[in-house]
Amino acid sequence: GENVEQHPSTLSVQEGDSAVIKCTYSDSASNYFPWYKQELGKRPQLIIDIRSNVGEKKDQRIAVTLNKTAKHFSLHITETQPEDSAVYFCAAALNYGGSQGNLIFGKGTKLSVKP
Amino acid sequence: GAGVSQSPSNKVTEKGKDVELRCDPISGHTALYWYRQSLGQGLEFLIYFQGNSAPDKSGLPSDRFSAERTGGSVSTLTIQRTQQEDSAVYLCASSSVTADRDPRLHFGNGTRLTVT
Repeated sequence: GENVEQHPSTLSVQEGDSAVIKCTYSDSASNYFPWYKQELGKRPQLIIDIRSNVGEKKDQRIAVTLNKTAKHFSLHITETQPEDSAVYFCAAALNYGGSQGNLIFGKGTKLSVKP
Repeated sequence: GAGVSQSPSNKVTEKGKDVELRCDPISGHTALYWYRQSLGQGLEFLIYFQGNSAPDKSGLPSDRFSAERTGGSVSTLTIQRTQQEDSAVYLCASSSVTADRDPRLHFGNGTRLTVT
């Protein structure tokens, strides 16, 4: 089955700096890669996702890149703010919404943005 | 409309007892997921339902764990003969069949299980 590795496990940056979180996946057939943000005591929330037919996607200060050949994808947060502090999870799925739709998550990255 | 509802929100049980955790997904969502999150840990996949069928049960940690879904709606996760290592937050999530339009997993608030 799919296996997702995520690095680093913790990341501390100064407000205004950029943060990068990287994930690798094992199954080359995976085609859907979302990122979820979980604030302390709250439920995970989708922040951005990318499908395998796209190499990069951007939404304001957040961007995700995908390298299918290397089987890795990354989350980039620019101009970080204290409210970006949370745990971020990457995930991968073979056929999201279909018969192989199980979404496998990485172990998470705790991001701390210091004012 | 209502979001994903899980009950109970907290459950304390003695080692060896059975527990049932309930998930009521968003109406119309055919996909339903169970995850386990231990303190400070990631989201461990347990099982995924598409309708009433579970195409993938590979995440269930042992045969003490089972899950079912009836009527394409409510799902129950049952843990038999609970062990202390079962203590965690059990999260349920649902998503629309038309994942292309809104692929988000909508998570419930979870059930915090403590096995003493």
